[in-house]
Amino acid sequence: SAVISQKPSRDICQRGTSLTIQCQVDSQVTMMFWYRQQPGQSLTLIATANQGSEATYESGFVIDKFPISRPNLTFSTLTVSNMSPEDSSIYLCSEESRLDEQFFGPGTRLTVL
Amino acid sequence: QKEVEQNSGPLSVPEGAIASLNCTYSDRGSQSFFWYRQYSGKSPELIMSIYSNGDKEDGRFTAQLNKASQYVSLLIRDSQPSDSATYLCAVTQSGTYKYIFGTGTRLKVLA
Repeated sequence: SAVISQKPSRDICQRGTSLTIQCQVDSQVTMMFWYRQQPGQSLTLIATANQGSEATYESGFVIDKFPISRPNLTFSTLTVSNMSPEDSSIYLCSEESRLDEQFFGPGTRLTVL
Repeated sequence: QKEVEQNSGPLSVPEGAIASLNCTYSDRGSQSFFWYRQYSGKSPELIMSIYSNGDKEDGRFTAQLNKASQYVSLLIRDSQPSDSATYLCAVTQSGTYKYIFGTGTRLKVLA
């Protein structure tokens, strides 16, 4: 599997601000995904980020709140906009390498005050 | 709403025993099934994938799939304290590459 890194690893932000999370993969991958894991809960898919096209968002997630970029086959960003305490969560990116298998980055732990 | 169900636990087993983790899913069209291990404060780590009915073994881990019963399980033989973690079942949504995750089963292996 590819090696995936995320920046920042954690952040504490003020209500109403925005944070951009970066996800870097050490090899070219077609599909990248962004998930949210709220405290004590499982993973929820936010969107699929494909290079060269708009991200595909899941029900309950909108581009204005979670804009995503995918400028090339090794990099993606997720922005959490106009944050509120309800956005406090772990945000994870993943890549799908083969046979539908997904591998996850280390995550970004976000706290919104 | 497609769902993946897991018992949240905790499931406690003594060291050296077999831990049995279960998962049921509602989407009959699901084709791919995965088990992830997640240590506290860490991201999920893929430990097993299974695509056809029957058993698949990898070291101390065995995944079992029964599509007719919409059931997938994970057996961990010779459980070690280092196996203590939350185990997440993930299933692909029919006709897509998207995962649906269960809520996870917390496993405690007692030394």
